Amino acid sequence: DTGVSQNPRHKITKRGQNVTFRCDPISEHNRLYWYRQTLGQGPEFLTYFQNEAQLEKSRLLSDRFSAERPKGSFSTLEIQRTEQGDSAMYLCASSLEASNTEAFFGQGTRLTVV
Amino acid sequence: AQRVTQPEKLLSVFKGAPVELKCNYSYSGSPELFWYVQYSRQRLQLLLRHISRESIKGFTADLNKGETSFHLKKPFAQEEDSAMYYCALSGRSYGNKLVFGAGTILRVKS
Repeated sequence: DTGVSQNPRHKITKRGQNVTFRCDPISEHNRLYWYRQTLGQGPEFLTYFQNEAQLEKSRLLSDRFSAERPKGSFSTLEIQRTEQGDSAMYLCASSLEASNTEAFFGQGTRLTVV
Repeated sequence: AQRVTQPEKLLSVFKGAPVELKCNYSYSGSPELFWYVQYSRQRLQLLLRHISRESIKGFTADLNKGETSFHLKKPFAQEEDSAMYYCALSGRSYGNKLVFGAGTILRVKS
């Protein structure tokens, strides 16, 4: 599968623990996006990178959340001191920079905080 | 503010019946509109975009700027169309990030 890859697919963690997710985009894509999806809702934008630069962060991204994309390749999303409200599907997508271009999504990481 | 509204959570139709999934948006500027689809146990994927003005799997969508709508239509539903459908918008001034509606489940009954 040469599409967007996310790991792990599922993560169960205790409240207060830190978790880190990884996203490997399609290799030639210079844009990488993180979204969060809760039950009954569409994906909500969290942040995006153009190459290694993080260009925008949503208000949804509290200071417990941090994302990186070293060297403009894979990206990690870390959540510190997890809360039950962080339970959601975390989706990664990548695209080329051109406008109106298709975003390709990964299969997501489902986080459950108990 | 950017917003996408999909008023129906569930649309259930019989095979062969016409389908219309509604989408309304609010956006300041010139938006780019998309329909994404998620089949059972598969990843979210692009179905069509307004700028292409194409028909994919028999689906079409016309951007109506006066009514700020981008409804998805298909004249004859097939069972394999059963899926979750998301309307989304983006814009160059917003880094091409997508703003999604809440989604509509389409169930096609035999």
